[in-house]
Amino acid sequence: DAMVIQNPRYQVTQFGKPVTLSCSQTLNHNVMYWYQQKSSQAPKLLFHYYDKDFNNEADTPDNFQSRRPNTSFCFLDIRSPGLGDAAMYLCATSLLSGRTTYGYTFGSGTRLTVV
Amino acid sequence: GENVEQHPSTLSVQEGDSAVIKCTYSDSASNYFPWYKQELGKGPQLIIDIRSNVGEKKDQRIAVTLNKTAKHFSLHITETQPEDSAVYFCAASGGSSNTGKLIFGQGTTLQVKP
Repeated sequence: DAMVIQNPRYQVTQFGKPVTLSCSQTLNHNVMYWYQQKSSQAPKLLFHYYDKDFNNEADTPDNFQSRRPNTSFCFLDIRSPGLGDAAMYLCATSLLSGRTTYGYTFGSGTRLTVV
Repeated sequence: GENVEQHPSTLSVQEGDSAVIKCTYSDSASNYFPWYKQELGKGPQLIIDIRSNVGEKKDQRIAVTLNKTAKHFSLHITETQPEDSAVYFCAASGGSSNTGKLIFGQGTTLQVKP
């Protein structure tokens, strides 16, 4: 089945140690998004790629970076994780045509713990 | 930018009763309104969505209504079952600065009591 896959499912990292989360899709969607979700809160958009164009949200800390080497893969890099970065990180994809969005799909998420 | 308000934050109903969750949005250019169900430890799952050219959509026990004039949309779940218990998020997309991103409401924790 076409889907959005996130790896790993759970990630434990040390305070200040760089960590990379990965997302892959088989939907051939042109947009990929990274959201951060903390307990009992709504997902918060960090940034997204429209094809190769990177779009950063104004309030996303510089500590968060992203790479999209090809249509299928997108990575979230946290350069120096702090305790406040512990959260569920959700990858999503969609097909954007003009102003119309189709097939918005979320992965299962990566639960990041910072120790 | 777009802002989405969702109410109530928690909702408790008896099994078999109906549940209604309401959202309002600020950007009149928004054209896509999905609803997601999120269970503990899992990613959000799309349960129903509606586009701005439609006023109502139904899928079995779930329905969504959209009032573009008032800029609000609602989720209706009938004949609720314990497995409907989860957090529900509304969202809006396609606003004036459209890049396809979803703006989420704050979420509603629905508890269905057996």
